[in-house]
Amino acid sequence: EAGVAQSPRYKIIEKRQSVAFWCNPISGHATLYWYQQILGQGPKLLIQFQNNGVVDDSQLPKDRFSAERLKGVDSTLKIQPAKLEDSAVYLCASSERGPGGGPEETQYFGPGTRLLVL
Amino acid sequence: GDSVTQMEGPVTLSEEAFLTINCTYTATGYPSLFWYVQYPGEGLQLLLKATKADDKGSNKGFEATYRKETTSFHLEKGSVQVSDSAVYFCALSSSNDYKLSFGAGTTVTVRA
Repeated sequence: EAGVAQSPRYKIIEKRQSVAFWCNPISGHATLYWYQQILGQGPKLLIQFQNNGVVDDSQLPKDRFSAERLKGVDSTLKIQPAKLEDSAVYLCASSERGPGGGPEETQYFGPGTRLLVL
Repeated sequence: GDSVTQMEGPVTLSEEAFLTINCTYTATGYPSLFWYVQYPGEGLQLLLKATKADDKGSNKGFEATYRKETTSFHLEKGSVQVSDSAVYFCALSSSNDYKLSFGAGTTVTVRA
């Protein structure tokens, strides 16, 4: 079974530029998550989709970050304009969760995109 | 809100040594508890999990027991190998909204 795919793996941009990350979850997984992992910290949830609807985006800096999940499958996360403090690893995860899902459900993570803002 | 506190690193061990990484949590209700591992250059992988009190999760020689009375989920391995060098994250999934909350991670280096 293919895992969660992410691209690009690395990106270097200058502040105020724009950047986009792509994620393809495990086939059939209903829920998709984007996390931000700053060096030395644990991942922090940015946004959660259930199929193509947003479940939680309370931690997403909406003045500069946006995300969409097209047709309930692939997802893109965009930053515009980027700031120095956005330097981090952006992780995408998916879980199978359907209506019967619960706290015990496992999230499967992609390899991440390492962003450096100069 | 729900939170996880785990032992700060880095931790450096010799091969075949005993490893313990402490993890405590604060949560309402009955969360599920996880240990994830991040090998160099790779994404997070689930190492083990426990979904109710007194459950023991185990995988690859690692074990952790869900202790409700001490709100803990400490990770242990009896004899580490160089290949166990990684960053280990304790996490909980809230029983209210199923969100994952992670600890800060503990970097473990095993020397031959």
